[in-house]
Amino acid sequence: DIVMTQSPDSLAVSLGERATINCKSSQSVLYSSNNKNYLAWYQQKPGQPPKLLISWASTRESGVPDRFSGSGSGTDFTLTISSLQAEDAAVYYCQQCYSTPQTFGQGTKVEIK
Amino acid sequence: QVQLQESGPGLVKPSETLSLTCAVSDYSISSGYYWGWIRQPPGKGLEWIGSIYHSGNTYSNPSLKSRVTISVDMSKNQFSLKLSSVTAADTAVYYCARHLAVGSFYSPMECWGQGTLVTVSS
Repeated sequence: DIVMTQSPDSLAVSLGERATINCKSSQSVLYSSNNKNYLAWYQQKPGQPPKLLISWASTRESGVPDRFSGSGSGTDFTLTISSLQAEDAAVYYCQQCYSTPQTFGQGTKVEIK
Repeated sequence: QVQLQESGPGLVKPSETLSLTCAVSDYSISSGYYWGWIRQPPGKGLEWIGSIYHSGNTYSNPSLKSRVTISVDMSKNQFSLKLSSVTAADTAVYYCARHLAVGSFYSPMECWGQGTLVTVSS
């Protein structure tokens, strides 16, 4: 299984400041034949299902604010929230869909400082 | 916009079989996506259980594979999960979801149901 490790486990950021979450996979999730990274980011608020924010490491889903961005390739990925808003307080998960079983990181809790 | 709704018993006894159904609305389940089950123990992270295509092609998590059965009923536009020999460790919120890419299991989950809590207890 591919192990997904996120860091940090939690962070507190002031409104308007940048939040950065890292995700490392135990093996590459880059598929060389199409040059796509099979890495997604989700946001989950209490009592709600996860919401897909970013697919293929850097493709923002429709309706997701442009303050959310994803980067990275191979085994190292980053989710950046450029200017944190109150509604961004949530737990964020990375997920690899490169191989089965699909696996998730342990989650990173983002709080407002 | 596709809608998914999980249903099933909220309480299952140890050693029995957990059975859930995901009803899909506003989209035909036979229209070319993979459909999946994911669970989340209270206060913990996400675990992918398995996914199915309308043809019946299925992928399951090896950690659960011997206990998991996923099936699809196109006449009712729904798919189902059965998890046998449950223990307290199977207590979780169970979500159904649709994969993002047409025809590809190897894609993230784009649309999710609201989830249903299943507690395993005598």
